[in-house]
Amino acid sequence: GEDVEQSLFLSVREGDSSVINCTYTDSSSTYLYWYKQEPGAGLQLLTYIFSNMDMKQDQRLTVLLNKKDKHLSLRIADTQTGDSAIYFCAERVDNYGQNFVFGPGTRLSVLP
Amino acid sequence: EAQVTQNPRYLITVTGKKLTVTCSQNMNHEYMSWYRQDPGLGLRQIYYSMNVEVTDKGDVPEGYKVSRKEKRNFPLILESPSPNQTSLYFCASSLAGGTYEQYFGPGTRLTVT
Repeated sequence: GEDVEQSLFLSVREGDSSVINCTYTDSSSTYLYWYKQEPGAGLQLLTYIFSNMDMKQDQRLTVLLNKKDKHLSLRIADTQTGDSAIYFCAERVDNYGQNFVFGPGTRLSVLP
Repeated sequence: EAQVTQNPRYLITVTGKKLTVTCSQNMNHEYMSWYRQDPGLGLRQIYYSMNVEVTDKGDVPEGYKVSRKEKRNFPLILESPSPNQTSLYFCASSLAGGTYEQYFGPGTRLTVT
């Protein structure tokens, strides 16, 4: 079945850039998402990219999509301590329904 | 305030005792889903609903039931809970179109002993 993979942990220094990577298996996915989960809270959408795009930039966030390699990345520029959270990559795998597959999440720790 | 609410937030129960976790959204969203979150596994979809009286299985539906009698509510029912259903559960809703952005509830931490 469909699978989304991410590394589980990432540590960066405050002010550096963070890059979180994700690989997915369903080549028919129309939307790919990055969600952020802060401690004790639900998930919030951070950004998304449509499958016919290669890149999307939104302030400090840059999303890169390589459809050939089924690879998605999220770059956070000038990482701050408030960016410490778990980041989930997700794909919408069913164009007629509401079937989403999430990765295991990458825990980002920002060191002062 | 636009939101998804879940109740209860925390629940400790015993094996076999039927329970219901409620979920309600005030955004008039057509789509609603239930997920469970387990360490190292991320979120796995249990069931989803595309509208009133329309539900379908996600990736891990065994041991769960859902119903969608009203657009705003989507309860999750565990008829006979078992310890392997100990988990953090999230309800989510979204519009039927656009980017399908999901809005998540705050989560329900369930422990089955």
